[in-house]
Amino acid sequence: QLQLQESGPGLVRPSETLSLTCTVSGGSISSSTYYWAWIRQPPGKGLEWIGNIYYTGSTYYHVSLKSRVTISADTSKNQFSLKLSSVTAADTAIYYCVRMFRTMIGTGWFDPWGQGTLVTVAS
Amino acid sequence: EIVLTQSPGTLSLSPGERATLSCRASQRVSGSYLAWYQQKPGQAPRLLIYGASSRATGIPDRFSGSGSGTDFTLTISRLEPEDFAVYYCQQYDTSPFTFGQGTKLEIK
Repeated sequence: QLQLQESGPGLVRPSETLSLTCTVSGGSISSSTYYWAWIRQPPGKGLEWIGNIYYTGSTYYHVSLKSRVTISADTSKNQFSLKLSSVTAADTAIYYCVRMFRTMIGTGWFDPWGQGTLVTVAS
Repeated sequence: EIVLTQSPGTLSLSPGERATLSCRASQRVSGSYLAWYQQKPGQAPRLLIYGASSRATGIPDRFSGSGSGTDFTLTISRLEPEDFAVYYCQQYDTSPFTFGQGTKLEIK
């Protein structure tokens, strides 16, 4: 059974870089069938896709975050990571790492999800 | 960007009743590339439906999805106590992949 686990600091200072890692167990991130994604949810609010990475290293980002986001993968550790630079209070959210199915059109649904980790941006 | 609008915002029903949740897209979602998720307090979302109408593994058959184009529906035929949660639709037709704002299904 595939499991994803987020890790990283729960508090980040404004203007600094948020860094999170997702460790995948029970399956390989090198599979050609899936992408690996990050999604966030501000407390009490809805869901926002941030971006995803394919095992080849190809990345796809939300246009509104593209200038600040980097997603990378370490296949030897079966992990993928998120970096979000120049954070503000608006980036305070629960961050989820998620597997994304790759369909005929290249994109798909999200399943399963990690438990999520709350990152607060505050001084 | 495709905007998904869910209605109603809150739905108050009793166990055993039928729930009908709507998701309307601002432009056509090709190929029925739409999914539904359930989220309970303090938990991550869980996939219910993909491809507008295909149930995910382990999802009870009281959950069903339908629709195409711009109008999609999630139906729960007979509500169980564990079904009261927030439900989100999501399109994966066009980047950025977007979610609706959610429908909260609460016990009446």
